[in-house]
Amino acid sequence: RKEVEQDPGPFNVPEGATVAFNCTYSNSASQSFFWYRQDCRKEPKLLMSVYSSGNEDGRFTAQLNRASQYISLLIRDSKLSDSATYLCVVPRETNFNKFYFGSGTKLNVKP
Amino acid sequence: NAGVTQTPKFRVLKTGQSMTLLCAQDMNHEYMYWYRQDPGMGLRLIHYSVGEGTTAKGEVPDGYNVSRLKKQNFLLGLESAAPSQTSVYFCASSYATAYEQYFGPGTRLTVT
Repeated sequence: RKEVEQDPGPFNVPEGATVAFNCTYSNSASQSFFWYRQDCRKEPKLLMSVYSSGNEDGRFTAQLNRASQYISLLIRDSKLSDSATYLCVVPRETNFNKFYFGSGTKLNVKP
Repeated sequence: NAGVTQTPKFRVLKTGQSMTLLCAQDMNHEYMYWYRQDPGMGLRLIHYSVGEGTTAKGEVPDGYNVSRLKKQNFLLGLESAAPSQTSVYFCASSYATAYEQYFGPGTRLTVT
């Protein structure tokens, strides 16, 4: 298994739809997980941190499944402005100062 | 708070020239990182620092040097630029190990 794997997409969804992405990881000891969004040619911006079973912030919900070693991101009531690439980030098992970055999942929300 | 800032935003170098990229953060973070991102690829760690006066190599350190003389600043140097170093460079900082990172706006570097 790769350290962090994401479906590259693109996920093309209409406005108002609910969409979910999964991220699988290999570091079973990791205690923290992060979702970032990255717009084209911009820096990654922190969307959500997950330190336990999950986290929710408005329309966004992240859920952690430790048994199957994946973390999901659910976006409800998609907006055009949600169109971006979503990156999954996990600390490395040999050095928590370093991180594995997923290659990202591209989301296109269409009118 | 400005967060993480980077200078310059854009730069074009000729092969063999040198330059320094500056990263500054005002969040009193201990950890700072330099990444590069190439088209269609994920972020790759160049060097990082776990505190003032310390630096360590990441995945792709060759051709780069770094310094962290002050806690708030992390400098990335290219001694002799090569076309393979054409990329977008992002700096990031975090409060502690395994905590979320905050990224600067990036420097777009082209080496001809």
